[in-house]
Amino acid sequence: KNQVEQSPQSLIILEGKNCTLQCNYTVSPFSNLRWYKQDTGRGPVSLTIMTFSENTKSNGRYTATLDADTKQSSLHITASQLSDSASYICVVRVYGQNFVFGPGTRLSVLP
Amino acid sequence: KAGVTQTPRYLIKTRGQQVTLSCSPISGHRSVSWYQQTPGQGLQFLFEYFSETQRNKGNFPGRFSGRQFSNSRSEMNVSTLELGDSALYLCASSPGGDSLYSNQPQHFGDGTRLSIL
Repeated sequence: KNQVEQSPQSLIILEGKNCTLQCNYTVSPFSNLRWYKQDTGRGPVSLTIMTFSENTKSNGRYTATLDADTKQSSLHITASQLSDSASYICVVRVYGQNFVFGPGTRLSVLP
Repeated sequence: KAGVTQTPRYLIKTRGQQVTLSCSPISGHRSVSWYQQTPGQGLQFLFEYFSETQRNKGNFPGRFSGRQFSNSRSEMNVSTLELGDSALYLCASSPGGDSLYSNQPQHFGDGTRLSIL
């Protein structure tokens, strides 16, 4: 069964600190892996998209990594800001089909 | 460039009623997908339309249906509403083409919050 798991479920950090969110997946056949940021009451916004051959991709202070062998991905946030408080969702596309969504990690950045 | 627009933003209905939600994709985007988001189940795929044809469908009952018009705008309909249909319904658009195999990003609207009383 295609599945995406994320950890931790929630995370609290202080402004200016770094953090790393984890995503493990069992999806076949794999097409690509995406990270989305979703602010409360808003739709998700794409942060990164990685294919099988890419093992790192950055978008400003967000850096995603992908290990296709272990089927793991991480999203690293550098020098966190209050505006980073949101849910971060890991999504894997099944090749030729639709998406499988992770449950998300709820990040709270405190001043 | 305007983003994905969903209307209405909020909707309250009672059990047994039906509802129609609307989505206007980004100009030039031909693929529109619909998702249901609930606290317990997270984001779940409903269906995808491309060039007025349903190309992909998730595991939802037949009460959930949709359509796409020639201008790529899409509507989603839910009939015989149940309490469990209370959710945030999100629409996402992408340029289309071979999007099932591509790495195109999806652009989401802010959703319609549907509450069933």
